[in-house]
Amino acid sequence: GESVGLHLPTLSVQEGDNSIINCAYSNSASDYFIWYKQESGKGPQFIIDIRSNMDKRQGQRVTVLLNKTVKHLSLQIAATQPGDSAVYFCAEKGLSSGGYQKVTFGIGTKLQVIP
Amino acid sequence: NAGVTQTPKFRVLKTGQSMTLLCAQDMNHEYMYWYRQDPGMGLRLIHYSVGEGTTAKGEVPDGYNVSRLKKQNFLLGLESAAPSQTSVYFCASSRAGNYGYTFGSGTRLTVV
Repeated sequence: GESVGLHLPTLSVQEGDNSIINCAYSNSASDYFIWYKQESGKGPQFIIDIRSNMDKRQGQRVTVLLNKTVKHLSLQIAATQPGDSAVYFCAEKGLSSGGYQKVTFGIGTKLQVIP
Repeated sequence: NAGVTQTPKFRVLKTGQSMTLLCAQDMNHEYMYWYRQDPGMGLRLIHYSVGEGTTAKGEVPDGYNVSRLKKQNFLLGLESAAPSQTSVYFCASSRAGNYGYTFGSGTRLTVV
């Protein structure tokens, strides 16, 4: 997904259902991945992270899956609640072509929870 | 624990004016960052610091300067504001290594 505000991909989910938000990353050298939640008018908030030596990590109501073969990351939210409504974006960290550690943020997906 | 505090929250500047955005963190984090967030783009790194007294350029540093005189503070300066600098600015901090960032609540800057 990509964009903050305008032209933002939107996922609409019924309250109580599970949500799956996807992210494709670009750098095969990335070894650390993070999901952030950003509510309207607020700063991004850390949700969960995963290192490249793992393919799954669970938190409270959230699960992150990492598929390094296809460079894909997903965030699953169980029993989605109205308070989950926000923009979710992923970030990848890895060695850039210039030889330094670089963090690249995705543009995000807007999650709308329907009561 | 306040986390990361940014001031001001909103500001309108005229083209050519200068201002400083303030960022303070109380988590004893080594690293601090300044990002801008614009519609249609992911967060873009302006400048960052890996420790007191050190700063480095990020992805979009032109038109900005920074200083980190104390470990807990990271200042972002606009010397001569331009309309292209209209954006939402976020400060963040982190521990060294692979750890997530703690973000401030942002500064919405409009340059007219």
